[in-house]
Amino acid sequence: EVQLVESGGGLVQPGGSLRLSCAASGFTFSSYWMSWVRQAPGKGLEWVANIKQDGSEKYYVDSVKGRFTISRDNAKNSLYLQMNSLRAEDTAVYYCARRGAAAGNYFQHWGQGTLVTVSS
Amino acid sequence: SYELTQPPSVSVSPGQTASITCSGDKLGDKYACWYQQKPGQSPVLVIYQDSKRPSGIPERFSGSNSGNTATLTISGTQAMDEADYYCQAWDRAVVFGGGTKLTVL
Repeated sequence: EVQLVESGGGLVQPGGSLRLSCAASGFTFSSYWMSWVRQAPGKGLEWVANIKQDGSEKYYVDSVKGRFTISRDNAKNSLYLQMNSLRAEDTAVYYCARRGAAAGNYFQHWGQGTLVTVSS
Repeated sequence: SYELTQPPSVSVSPGQTASITCSGDKLGDKYACWYQQKPGQSPVLVIYQDSKRPSGIPERFSGSNSGNTATLTISGTQAMDEADYYCQAWDRAVVFGGGTKLTVL
């Protein structure tokens, strides 16, 4: 069974930093693109970042470019999101998501999410 | 940037058919997928590659995609189908629609 378990969320002041982690199990982690998707309170889903299987390609939504860094450790079956210079508008539940095996750039599996609150 | 537009809300009576649309420029030329999200839960994939159902998703969920519109259809809608539904496609980046709240009256 595929499992994605996020951790690392919490309350942080504007301008602060936070590192999210996602522990993956139940599949060959190194074979899949992985992503972070966020959802602000009461709002819709927003893709944040993608990373290729070997970490050689990374993509970000414009609003986080230069502030967030996605990375992975295939030996540890783990995905990360380093978030710097946090803003109030970054407040959201952050989901770790695994792409599906077929063509089409869809997310077949999601974690339970971790809440990040940026507030003074 | 690419945009996907969904109606904010759709209502349906139990047992009837619900249709939720997702509009985007030449969306039919791309793959569309759909997620269901119930309050306090993570999204669940219900349709991928326009019309395919993942394992475990009931047959009453179906999808189509042509021209500028993708449609999620729920036949014989049940109370348990009440949720938010999001379409998603890819156009040089992952794009989500704004979501549609499905109410089963």
